[in-house]
Amino acid sequence: GQNIDQPTEMTATEGAIVQINCTYQTSGFNGLFWYQQHAGEAPTFLSYNVLDGLEEKGRFSSFLSRSKGYSYLLLKELQMKDSASYLCAASRANQGGKLIFGQGTELSVKP
Amino acid sequence: GAVVSQHPSRVICKSGTSVKIECRSLDFQATTMFWYRQFPKQSLMLMATSNEGSKATYEQGVEKDKFLINHASLTLSTLTVTSAHPEDSSFYICSARTGGPGNTIYFGEGSWLTVV
Repeated sequence: GQNIDQPTEMTATEGAIVQINCTYQTSGFNGLFWYQQHAGEAPTFLSYNVLDGLEEKGRFSSFLSRSKGYSYLLLKELQMKDSASYLCAASRANQGGKLIFGQGTELSVKP
Repeated sequence: GAVVSQHPSRVICKSGTSVKIECRSLDFQATTMFWYRQFPKQSLMLMATSNEGSKATYEQGVEKDKFLINHASLTLSTLTVTSAHPEDSSFYICSARTGGPGNTIYFGEGSWLTVV
């Protein structure tokens, strides 16, 4: 089977750092995506990890450990506009762009 | 800019009518596109895989006769919600994989369907 877990909600303070964790179990794993979704809008691409390690892109970083079935998204210098839902999604080999999504983590950034 | 475009962004239709939603890949060819639906405060649920030139592959529990998918060209997939009912009201989103260097998956802007 396949299963992706991430926390339902998180709260953080403006200017702080927050880490959103994601664990997955899926056969034929072929990479882990992170998306940001604001209410009423489509998801926007943040990162894609297929190899173990940390990928940094400005204020956002994403980490993957394939052996542990674990990923996290790290957001630094939080801004109010970062309040959104963050979706973790796994892709599987030989299934093209088919993604299996976690339930999403609703992040609230407070002043 | 957007690499996957969806239209219309919002549509209201009467119960019993059909509605067509288009998904286009911009500046790249997509032999495969994906259709998702999302209810408020829930995650995206994959409905079907749209395959250019062949039949779509539907996920378990999705009625293929109700959600007609056509992928007639390498840049366009359409989803038609037939005989729409209020419970079909949802946010429908398509995605496509770009392929090549920077291979990643992008989503269209999404389409809000309200059936009254």
